[in-house]
Amino acid sequence: AQTVTQSQPEMSVQEAETVTLSCTYDTSESNYYLFWYKQPPSRQMILVIRQEAYKQQNATENRFSVNFQKAAKSFSLKISDSQLGDTAMYFCAFAGGGADGLTFGKGTHLIIQP
Amino acid sequence: GAVVSQHPSRVICKSGTSVKIECRSLDFQATTMFWYRQFPKQSLMLMATSNEGSKATYEQGVEKDKFLINHASLTLSTLTVTSAHPEDSSFYICSARGGQVYGYTFGSGTRLTVV
Repeated sequence: AQTVTQSQPEMSVQEAETVTLSCTYDTSESNYYLFWYKQPPSRQMILVIRQEAYKQQNATENRFSVNFQKAAKSFSLKISDSQLGDTAMYFCAFAGGGADGLTFGKGTHLIIQP
Repeated sequence: GAVVSQHPSRVICKSGTSVKIECRSLDFQATTMFWYRQFPKQSLMLMATSNEGSKATYEQGVEKDKFLINHASLTLSTLTVTSAHPEDSSFYICSARGGQVYGYTFGSGTRLTVV
């Protein structure tokens, strides 16, 4: 079974700063997918970014980028030019190459201070 | 984009009664749907996986007789919490696969309170 670990329960940064959320995972699978989801107070799960394990290039989506280190089983999320609307819970998630559901980390509560 | 509609958003029921939660994919066919449970200030835990036309697969520790899942069509999956008790109070979220390459689309969740 796979596990996902987020070691930062809460982080707080000033608006416009850059912040990095860490995530490590453990799996014996060779084909898998990694995700970062944002959950604002509304509790709607919003996909931030997705990374296919077979791709060496790190995924980017506007201000969001990942540092995917496959050998180290690390998948960190960098948020550049942070905005007040980025305040939310952020979950790292893993999905195997089959028809798997997602395994989530415990989450990081990110607070962007004005 | 892919949209998943989940209803109701909130429900309060009496202990011992049953509650049904619906999850619909509005603009794509969801071959696989997933049901998660989230306790306050905690992460999402996968409860079960359902494929259209077949029995759901439950995660270890999830009572299949208490949490009945039906996936009768490619656009609808339902979760019925039977004989609900206060400890079943939680936030339930569905997710569907389909509509995009290896994507998971989430419903907006259902807050269940059992009194």
